[in-house]
Amino acid sequence: DQQVKQNSPSLSVQEGRISILNCDYTNSMFDYFLWYKKYPAEGPTFLISISSIKDKNEDGRFTVFLNKSAKHLSLHIVPSQPGDSAVYFCAALRMGAQKLVFGQGTRLTINP
Amino acid sequence: DAGVIQSPRHEVTEMGQEVTLRCKPISGHDYLFWYRQTMMRGLELLIYFNNNVPIDDSGMPEDRFSAKMPNASFSTLKIQPSEPRDSAVYFCASSLASGVEAFFGQGTRLTVV
Repeated sequence: DQQVKQNSPSLSVQEGRISILNCDYTNSMFDYFLWYKKYPAEGPTFLISISSIKDKNEDGRFTVFLNKSAKHLSLHIVPSQPGDSAVYFCAALRMGAQKLVFGQGTRLTINP
Repeated sequence: DAGVIQSPRHEVTEMGQEVTLRCKPISGHDYLFWYRQTMMRGLELLIYFNNNVPIDDSGMPEDRFSAKMPNASFSTLKIQPSEPRDSAVYFCASSLASGVEAFFGQGTRLTVV
């Protein structure tokens, strides 16, 4: 039972353009949603999060949008840079349970 | 703080052998998680501890897998006997009870031949 899904295994974007990564979830009880970034041979690192009571959170070039009615969130990166090439994981959390549930990941490639 | 420390970084073993993965969480963190990364399933949670007590081990695939946390600064994940399908990257992570994000170690790449 995959509670968090990333349906695009890969995405290729030109440098300077916007990258949009998508994530869907099934459990309406999640309190927070997070995005992690992972480079090869490294552990995932936290990028940005959003509370379930908000619909947008912005941090520099990164913005996360949450649509609770559609059970959908997205990560926007603008402008995209070569260093953004990595695997991005969407995750969800219920406070109290404290365990992160991850999607399968999307490999983002930024082309010069 | 050095972050979450895992050892070894790479492990190659023969089918049927026992494998032990080790983790030192960030000092002061209340929760410790073991994840496994595969192409098909992404990052799947195997087991997690709160204050050294196992809370949820429903993700442990089989009885061949076991995990312990004898104290707040050390945890092990053991596979006995190992099988080729156990080949994956295993991550340990820790977090604060008051926090949202978990902090990951660099992972152990396990290859069972």
